[in-house]
Amino acid sequence: NAGVTQTPKFQVLKTGQSMTLQCAQDMNHNSMYWYRQDPGMGLRLIYYSASEGTTDKGEVPNGYNVSRLNKREFSLRLESAAPSQTSVYFCASMGLAGRSYNEQFFGPGTRLTVL
Amino acid sequence: QKEVEQNSGPLSVPEGAIASLNCTYSDRGSQSFFWYRQYSGKSPELIMSIYSNGDKEDGRFTAQLNKASQYVSLLIRDSQPSDSATYLCAVRTGANSKLTFGKGITLSVRP
Repeated sequence: NAGVTQTPKFQVLKTGQSMTLQCAQDMNHNSMYWYRQDPGMGLRLIYYSASEGTTDKGEVPNGYNVSRLNKREFSLRLESAAPSQTSVYFCASMGLAGRSYNEQFFGPGTRLTVL
Repeated sequence: QKEVEQNSGPLSVPEGAIASLNCTYSDRGSQSFFWYRQYSGKSPELIMSIYSNGDKEDGRFTAQLNKASQYVSLLIRDSQPSDSATYLCAVRTGANSKLTFGKGITLSVRP
């Protein structure tokens, strides 16, 4: 059981480049989330997917797009990276039943630098 | 307007002391409350959840919830250097599955 996995772990981009952050979970969770974490700002929700086939904006969605590819995978895309998107990105998933009910499990994070 | 507030910290306590971490929230409809611990360079992990007024104890950790006053706290008894981390308060409101996080407070336990 790998839990929540994210790729890549580190990435450096130039302004204007695009990239996709990948996230997968093997816990059969319905809900998945993308957060960014900046110093002194806590965790801020970018987008989330309450269930397969649905996505919704969070607190800071501008400059990002998401795809819920299937129940396991939820990707985050930066179409034209900006220095303000330099951050640590965390993916999380949550179950709606069983032992993981109501608990968000986090991936290891992706550290992104935009020059 | 930020919905979940935590003292900015940092908080420093000696080993063996009680560390008290506080959190207030603005939405009276909030139903679920969580404390996450995050070590430097790592991802957050859930350490406590609480859903009803009163205290909930788990080992050295006690979560306290007062919905009338809209605050939730975390007490860490017999603090250890390994408790040194950032603690994030999170609140879930209504039927949606989103959490709102506070900015976190960094705890340092001095040996």
